Amino acid sequence: NAGVTQTPKFQVLKTGQSMTLQCAQDMNHEYMSWYRQDPGMGLRLIHYSVGAGITDQGEVPNGYNVSRSTTEDFPLRLLLAAPSQTSVYFCASSSGQRSNEQFFGPGTRLTVL
Amino acid sequence: RKEVEQDPGPFNVPEGATVAFNCTYSNSASQSFFWYRQDCRKEPKLLMSVYSSGNEDGRFTAQLNRASQYISLLIRDSKLSDSATYLCVVIPEAWDFGNEKLTFGTGTRLTIIP
Repeated sequence: NAGVTQTPKFQVLKTGQSMTLQCAQDMNHEYMSWYRQDPGMGLRLIHYSVGAGITDQGEVPNGYNVSRSTTEDFPLRLLLAAPSQTSVYFCASSSGQRSNEQFFGPGTRLTVL
Repeated sequence: RKEVEQDPGPFNVPEGATVAFNCTYSNSASQSFFWYRQDCRKEPKLLMSVYSSGNEDGRFTAQLNRASQYISLLIRDSKLSDSATYLCVVIPEAWDFGNEKLTFGTGTRLTIIP
């Protein structure tokens, strides 16, 4: 099993550009989520999904969209990139049951100029 | 007050020593607690869950103190490979499917010195 995969690993955008961060998992997990990690802030939840066709907002959803058309894939779209979105983005999945482990992807390092 | 607070460190500890650090949480109704480990420029990975009765896994011991609202992580006989950032994770509400609200601490950085 590949676990949770993310692409790209690195990305540089100019302000106003848009892009999609890809996330896929092959563990048949129902629950998937996107976090951003900034120095001194910890991991903050952007959006999450409890199954195909169901998404919801997390703590910091503004400027991001998600969709969940399949169990495996959970892409994150940046609509109009801003320097404040410079961060490391992690996708995670879990079976969704209490106390189950969150499996994280390797992360995407995004810089918005 | 932040929901979850950790001393950011860094903790610089000689190899073979014992080190402990705490994580405090503000919501007394918090249900589940975990320690994750994050190596430099890598993703977080689950280290261990924290049970009410405590949890031990080899050189690692995790404890929960509900009265004072903190969890702790103790590492005995520290190894160079223990150098990492340790993230405290708290689930502040009942874990309902569709109400996932993991709260991460900012992490405690640990460096083991040869």
